Amino acid sequence: DAGITQSPRHKVTETGTPVTLRCHQTENHRYMYWYRQDPGHGLRLIHYSYGVKDTDKGEVSDGYSVSRSKTEDFLLTLESATSSQTSVYFCAIGNRGGQPQHFGDGTRLSIL
Amino acid sequence: GESVGLHLPTLSVQEGDNSIINCAYSNSASDYFIWYKQESGKGPQFIIDIRSNMDKRQGQRVTVLLNKTVKHLSLQIAATQPGDSAVYFCAENFPRGTGNQFYFGTGTSLTVIP
Repeated sequence: DAGITQSPRHKVTETGTPVTLRCHQTENHRYMYWYRQDPGHGLRLIHYSYGVKDTDKGEVSDGYSVSRSKTEDFLLTLESATSSQTSVYFCAIGNRGGQPQHFGDGTRLSIL
Repeated sequence: GESVGLHLPTLSVQEGDNSIINCAYSNSASDYFIWYKQESGKGPQFIIDIRSNMDKRQGQRVTVLLNKTVKHLSLQIAATQPGDSAVYFCAENFPRGTGNQFYFGTGTSLTVIP
């Protein structure tokens, strides 16, 4: 299995609180991605990174920010969580732009 | 990828039979496709990929067929085993300007009956 670790695996929080999810890789892949997975939808891209300090928005980026200060770490932050952000969040990595090859096991986030 | 409501299409097969899972993709200009397997509580796992200049690609017990005329992909699993029970979905790569956009289908739930 590709070395991708997401933390936490589960989190319950309240509306309006900030939340940070972490993705850590040991594969030295250039590209890292954050997706959300919801019933009735395919995986949707939130943000991605193409190098240290280089990030860009995906199709559902509103309400989310990211940071990548090291090759191996990619953080996703919800500045003020809303109930619509209740979802399962997946981190992915790859060596080709736009083509995620390996996924982490996800973070199940519930916002009450 | 296929667009469905809240309920995934389902496929039940007997252990040892062959499975065929279908996917309709969206963009005629998409040039690369991946099939993923997702087990409950896990992240998607890469199974096999195919480029648009190919019609067929084989892996270990799996074959992907691409029909560009009707924008259709299929995943064939030979001698299906209980461990193959999972959600399977396709993804297409759509070149856009200087980058790529990857679109994921919602998936098909495969249940293998022992």
